[in-house]
Amino acid sequence: DTEVTQTPKHLVMGMTNKKSLKCEQHMGHRAMYWYKQKAKKPPELMFVYSYEKLSINESVPSRFSPECPNSSLLNLHLHALQPEDSALYLCASSQDKLADYEQYFGPGTRLTVT
Amino acid sequence: RKEVEQDPGPFNVPEGATVAFNCTYSNSASQSFFWYRQDGRKEPRLLWAVYSGGSEDGRFTAQLNRASQYISLLIRDSKLSDSATYLCVVSFTGGGNKLTFGTGTQLKVEL
Repeated sequence: DTEVTQTPKHLVMGMTNKKSLKCEQHMGHRAMYWYKQKAKKPPELMFVYSYEKLSINESVPSRFSPECPNSSLLNLHLHALQPEDSALYLCASSQDKLADYEQYFGPGTRLTVT
Repeated sequence: RKEVEQDPGPFNVPEGATVAFNCTYSNSASQSFFWYRQDGRKEPRLLWAVYSGGSEDGRFTAQLNRASQYISLLIRDSKLSDSATYLCVVSFTGGGNKLTFGTGTQLKVEL
């Protein structure tokens, strides 16, 4: 079962709000990822967690704060976002962070910042 | 030069046609190669992991040419349900499974 789940599916938030996106996988994968995708563009990597430790931060602004509470869960905490942060936020997981392993994506959270 | 290059399309083809997607990559240390498809506003779904040479599965054939740094995906007897954006994706040794995406090629299969 190659399933990654994400909640919520849609989120509308104001620029002063604090919200969190959640991602869960039960495939025993040890690497998890956050991507941001704007319309008609490919996904852009934001963060990589490997064995619950932050491995890669692609110079993402501090208004995005990732958290990996355990090997199955990945959160993305949002605070003081800008309208240009509106996008599809995708979570993915892979068996390990080595290059050979396929990444499986969740359905995404469509975020609108007003 | 972009790290992963694809023709953005769109490719508009009639049902039953054969269509080929080509992709070139610039990093010779690239190690793993994937094709994902993305339907509209949905998430990318893994279609194929291409490890060496070529492989075939039903209507689909994927090829990897490391010497030319080139990957391809061939779809035969295309169906309406094949309409999607096809993303060429590459990861390389030392990149920590950091995927590099092409811009994607949009395919529209028409009656």
